[in-house]
Amino acid sequence: AQKITQTQPGMFVQEKEAVTLDCTYDTSDPSYGLFWYKQPSSGEMIFLIYQGSYDQQNATEGRYSLNFQKARKSANLVISASQLGDSAMYFCAMREAGGSQGNLIFGKGTKLSVKP
Amino acid sequence: NAGVMQNPRHLVRRRGQEARLRCSPMKGHSHVYWYRQLPEEGLKFMVYLQKENIIDESGMPKERFSAEFPKEGPSILRIQQVVRGDSAAYFCASSPQRVVDTQYFGPGTRLTVL
Repeated sequence: AQKITQTQPGMFVQEKEAVTLDCTYDTSDPSYGLFWYKQPSSGEMIFLIYQGSYDQQNATEGRYSLNFQKARKSANLVISASQLGDSAMYFCAMREAGGSQGNLIFGKGTKLSVKP
Repeated sequence: NAGVMQNPRHLVRRRGQEARLRCSPMKGHSHVYWYRQLPEEGLKFMVYLQKENIIDESGMPKERFSAEFPKEGPSILRIQQVVRGDSAAYFCASSPQRVVDTQYFGPGTRLTVL
């Protein structure tokens, strides 16, 4: 079974609008972390935002926020006021605290295209 | 504070040759992870190392692949007798601690096997 599922292979958004990228996860570990990374066409992996399983509030970092719904096991990324430079692949990842050595498990990614 | 450094950025090898990929973690980071990204895929974990120790190599192919992180110098991912299926982007990430902290990625090495 997939541990991280990103159901949107591609998304389009108009510049200056908000967009939500979906991510659902599967784990029986009560302690885990959820991450979003951005991969532009140049190829590097850029860390965007982190949410811990015990965090009471949704994480925010500038224009990025994480809509964390623990009971539904979802950790959607919300990008507000989209910019042309936001066009990239976006990967959701999870790290389980117990029984592992901290390695990240990645989804297949969502390709976001921002239209002018 | 320099980020994670990887070199070379691009590497071309013929089938049967050896590929050596290098990774220098961020200053103060002693934990290194290697991941592989095949075309149109997410990253897949390969190996986790600390200085002079392999902690978890459960994602590493059993043959031809090896990794090290010596006391001095960068971490090395070595692929012997490369085959076309090894063509991929190889990313290194580092973190200061094992479980709690965010992993920061290097720019990756794009290996092409002819």
